[in-house]
Amino acid sequence: SYQLTQPPSVSVSPGQTASITCSGDKLGDKYACWFQQKPGQSPVLVIYQNTRRPSGIPERFSGSNSGNTATLTISGTQAVDEADYYCQAWDRSTYVFGSGTKVTVL
Amino acid sequence: EVQLVESGGGLVRPGGSLRLSCAASGFTFRSSNMNWVRQAPGKGLEWVSFISTSTSYIYYADSTKGRFTISRDNAKNLLYLQMDSLRAEDTGVYYCARDILPCSSTTCYGLDYWGQGTLVTVSS
Repeated sequence: SYQLTQPPSVSVSPGQTASITCSGDKLGDKYACWFQQKPGQSPVLVIYQNTRRPSGIPERFSGSNSGNTATLTISGTQAVDEADYYCQAWDRSTYVFGSGTKVTVL
Repeated sequence: EVQLVESGGGLVRPGGSLRLSCAASGFTFRSSNMNWVRQAPGKGLEWVSFISTSTSYIYYADSTKGRFTISRDNAKNLLYLQMDSLRAEDTGVYYCARDILPCSSTTCYGLDYWGQGTLVTVSS
């Protein structure tokens, strides 16, 4: 089955840029999306179709996808961005989630 | 405002059954593909099942195939998940979630709205 791999954790200082990677075989040939989940809350979609932001998502969230890696970038990271982040893609009639990355804003 | 409200969770013994419901409002339910996604305590997200608008396409994760059945009632704006032969590893919060766009012939594009989740605990 298809697998998406994310680093378990990423640390970033306030105001700096956080980059979260998601790796999968030929992931660049698929559409990737990203979710943010804070403790005790439901996931929130922050990026879909590789680069698109849903209404209401701040511009500091951006995405890219090429080759085997999709990347979520948070520019000017704020304390409120501390959360778990999951990538997702569609493969052979199933949605696949990455393992998740905990972003800590130090 | 789009709302998805799950219900039906609870404590069930291994081998038992449970039926989850998801009540949808604030959008044209019959025009949206729907999904169930679960999250074990302290773990990541796991996709469970997908159902297309007219139920022509139904897909399951390998871990639930043959035990879970997804269905929908477009007249009542309801999504269901019938869960049979439950196991301890099925324990977790179950979310219903809407597809953000109609799928193409080759791909679907992600999930934009999620419910608050309902907790299923499988334990003796």
